[in-house]
Amino acid sequence: DVKVTQSSRYLVKRTGEKVFLECVQDMDHENMFWYRQDPGLGLRLIYFSYDVKMKEKGDIPEGYSVSREKKERFSLILESASTNQTSMYLCASSLDGGQNQPQHFGDGTRLSIL
Amino acid sequence: RKEVEQDPGPFNVPEGATVAFNCTYSNSASQSFFWYRQDCRKEPKLLMSVYSSGNEDGRFTAQLNRASQYISLLIRDSKLSDSATYLCAVPNAGNMLTFGGGTRLMVKP
Repeated sequence: DVKVTQSSRYLVKRTGEKVFLECVQDMDHENMFWYRQDPGLGLRLIYFSYDVKMKEKGDIPEGYSVSREKKERFSLILESASTNQTSMYLCASSLDGGQNQPQHFGDGTRLSIL
Repeated sequence: RKEVEQDPGPFNVPEGATVAFNCTYSNSASQSFFWYRQDCRKEPKLLMSVYSSGNEDGRFTAQLNRASQYISLLIRDSKLSDSATYLCAVPNAGNMLTFGGGTRLMVKP
């Protein structure tokens, strides 16, 4: 079974803090993704990566950055947290960029910015 | 037209009922499709993959209608435990999965 592990289930931070969300997958997947999910807005793609040190902007990259130094690890960084970044953050991975590959999700991190 | 659209519901059905929901997509070149189940405050979990005309797994059947560009999920003999939100996912022109907003199903005793 694919295992995608996110470092925290719940996190509370203050406005202006730099926040790191970590994600690790154990299946040697090439692609990794970061989404946020808010009521009524569905899953929105923040950033994705298709290889080590490679990153691509998704639909809502503003206020975020990412890092992929190792294949199994994909980090999401909130440079200066703001209250509108309070959300459920979901990491996912897929084997490669082919159409036939589903994405597998981690448990999610519920982040609150005070 | 949105890339992937779903009726948000909720679909309220009694136990034992058969229920179906659709997911329409705009990318006619899509070759594979996925249904996910998401419980409240949990992550989406892969339920079924659809690579050709359809797929069946126990009480769940997924069907693809390429001409009308939609996929459907049919659940027979609904259980209370089927209550969840069901998301469809379809590759876009760049082979990135695009997720629908989800359809909420509530199965009542």
